[in-house]
Amino acid sequence: AQKVTQAQTEISVVEKEDVTLDCVYETRDTTYYLFWYKQPPSGELVFLIRRNSFDEQNEISGRYSWNFQKSTSSFNFTITASQVVDSAVYFCALSESPYSGAGSYQLTFGKGTKLSVIP
Amino acid sequence: DAGVTQSPTHLIKTRGQQVTLRCSPKSGHDTVSWYQQALGQGPQFIFQYYEEEERQRGNFPDRFSGHQFPNYSSELNVNALLLGDSALYLCASSLGTGPMETQYFGPGTRLLVL
Repeated sequence: AQKVTQAQTEISVVEKEDVTLDCVYETRDTTYYLFWYKQPPSGELVFLIRRNSFDEQNEISGRYSWNFQKSTSSFNFTITASQVVDSAVYFCALSESPYSGAGSYQLTFGKGTKLSVIP
Repeated sequence: DAGVTQSPTHLIKTRGQQVTLRCSPKSGHDTVSWYQQALGQGPQFIFQYYEEEERQRGNFPDRFSGHQFPNYSSELNVNALLLGDSALYLCASSLGTGPMETQYFGPGTRLLVL
């Protein structure tokens, strides 16, 4: 069964510091997809990035960067020069094809990491 | 371009009652998934609808049922409410059911069962 672990429950940083959110996953599939979502206090999950299991290139988008390492089953997320607006709960999620062969999939989430950026 | 919308935003019910939550997918999306998010937890998959059929289901009892309409909108019904059903219910839409499809989430419905 697929599983996502976000070991950091809460992190606090001072504004402008860099912060890395860890994500470790378990899957039996060779083809799978990893996602990061941001959940601000309003509750709506905001999509940040999708990565497939065949693409191990790191990605940078502005102050955000992602480090995908299949060897350690990790997909970590770094925010550079954090800002107060980055305060939110961040979720890592995994999807894979179910063995039922129905062609649908389940998105499995970690428990999330609450990031607080202090001004 | 309208995103995913959900109604109502908040709801208070008592144990044993029934509730219906509604979701309209993002424009152009044909697949709707429902998730339950308990306080301090990650979202848990309830089920997914595509072509008006339930395609996949998570580990939730039959008290949880759903429906998808021809315009792709969807309803989540929960019967015989329990205190433990209190949670944020999130609807997500995508284009198709494949694992590579990104799901876009609505703002959720906060259900409180007393």
